[in-house]
Amino acid sequence: DVKVTQSSRYLVKRTGEKVFLECVQDMDHENMFWYRQDPGLGLRLIYFSYDVKMKEKGDIPEGYSVSREKKERFSLILESASTNQTSMYLCASSPRFGTGGSGNIQYFGAGTRLSVL
Amino acid sequence: AQSVTQPDIHITVSEGASLELRCNYSYGATPYLFWYVQSPGQGLQLLLKYFSGDTLVQGIKGFEAEFKRSQSSFNLRKPSVHWSDAAEYFCAVAPRGQAGTALIFGKGTTLSVSS
Repeated sequence: DVKVTQSSRYLVKRTGEKVFLECVQDMDHENMFWYRQDPGLGLRLIYFSYDVKMKEKGDIPEGYSVSREKKERFSLILESASTNQTSMYLCASSPRFGTGGSGNIQYFGAGTRLSVL
Repeated sequence: AQSVTQPDIHITVSEGASLELRCNYSYGATPYLFWYVQSPGQGLQLLLKYFSGDTLVQGIKGFEAEFKRSQSSFNLRKPSVHWSDAAEYFCAVAPRGQAGTALIFGKGTTLSVSS
C-alpha cells in the first residue's frame, strides 16, 4: 500500500515563526502536492512538484514556499506564519505516468492541523 | 473555467437508509472522475474512480457511482448507510490524458448518520 506520512498531526506556532511541514511518500511517486483545507472551501492547491527540485504554484501560493531535495520528501514552508494560515494541511502524491487515468490517482497523508496564535 | 459542484453541503441520513451524494462538473471534455472520503481528523481515502467503460463503477465500503455524460454528473450512492459512513465526501476531476496533474475538488458534502 502507498504510504504518505506527514510528520506532525498537530502543530501550534506563534505569529511570525518560520514553520516547516514535512511529507514523505514511500511509493517512488514523481508528483507530490500540498493542499490546504478549510471548512466550506474544500481543498485548495498550494504547490505541487513533478520532480526533484521542480515546483509549480497552485491556486493559493502566497505566503508559502516548498522544497523538494529528494524524490520521497516534499516540504511546505511558511516563511512567517500568520493567523490566517491556521488550517488543515494535506500532502498527497501520485505517479507521473499510468495507463488510462491511474496516473491521476492521488494518495493522501493524514494531514497536519496547524494553529497559528 | 473547470469546476466541480457538490450542491449539498450537509446531508443527514438514517442508518440503513439509502444515500445519494451529488456531483456535477464543468469541463471541456469528459475528465477522469473520483470520489474520496475523509473521516474526522483523517486524510482522504479513494472510494472509487471512473476512467472509461461501464458508467456504473463500484468502489470500496459498498459505494457505487454512476457517470452520466448528458448531465455532467458523477453521483455517489450506497443502498444502506452504516453509522461508520459519517464523514466528509469529496468529488474530484482530472483532465483526461494528462497523468500526474492536480485534481480539482468540489467543496465537499458532510454526511451525518442518525440512529
